[in-house]
Amino acid sequence: GQQVMQIPQYQHVQEGEDFTTYCNSSTTLSNIQWYKQRPGGHPVFLIQLVKSGEVKKQKRLTFQFGEAKKNSSLHITATQTTDVGTYFCAGGGPGTYKYIFGTGTRLKVLA
Amino acid sequence: DGGITQSPKYLFRKEGQNVTLSCEQNLNHDAMYWYRQDPGQGLRLIYYSQIVNDFQKGDIAEGYSVSREKKESFPLTVTSAQKNPTAFYLCASSINRASGRRSGQFFGPGTRLTVL
Repeated sequence: GQQVMQIPQYQHVQEGEDFTTYCNSSTTLSNIQWYKQRPGGHPVFLIQLVKSGEVKKQKRLTFQFGEAKKNSSLHITATQTTDVGTYFCAGGGPGTYKYIFGTGTRLKVLA
Repeated sequence: DGGITQSPKYLFRKEGQNVTLSCEQNLNHDAMYWYRQDPGQGLRLIYYSQIVNDFQKGDIAEGYSVSREKKESFPLTVTSAQKNPTAFYLCASSINRASGRRSGQFFGPGTRLTVL
């Protein structure tokens, strides 16, 4: 079955450093979504990528969808303490509305 | 305010008892989802529903049941057949049109179920 792997599992950075998390699917995706979950909270939708090679930016966050639509990345420039949380990708397969979530990357930002 | 609500926030049950978790949305979303999250883990799909009176099993449906009698509501029952039911349960909804248009998933605040 479809699997979505995410690396790294944990990342500790100093405030101001950059951060990147990578998402890899075992199968070709129709779209990919990214979520952020603060400690003790629920996932919050950040963005959806649909097109091959698509790049989207939200302030300090840059999201990419691979050309083969099997991988994606989230890059945060100059991290802040408010970026703390776990970042999940979720892959949607062709012909289905089912989403498979990645294992998540837990980000800690040291002030 | 539009949103998705889950109740209760915390739930304690004795082993062997069935329990039903509530999920209601007033976003007029077509699709609804139930996920389970264990400590330090990702989200695993239990059931999902595209339209009223229709739902599909996710990856870990054993020991769970759902119904979708109304567009706004998607309750989840955790049965006594579920071997390890203690977890954080999250409900979500999204727009999934027949045209193929999809939105992100909007999550409720979750229910933390503890089986004693």
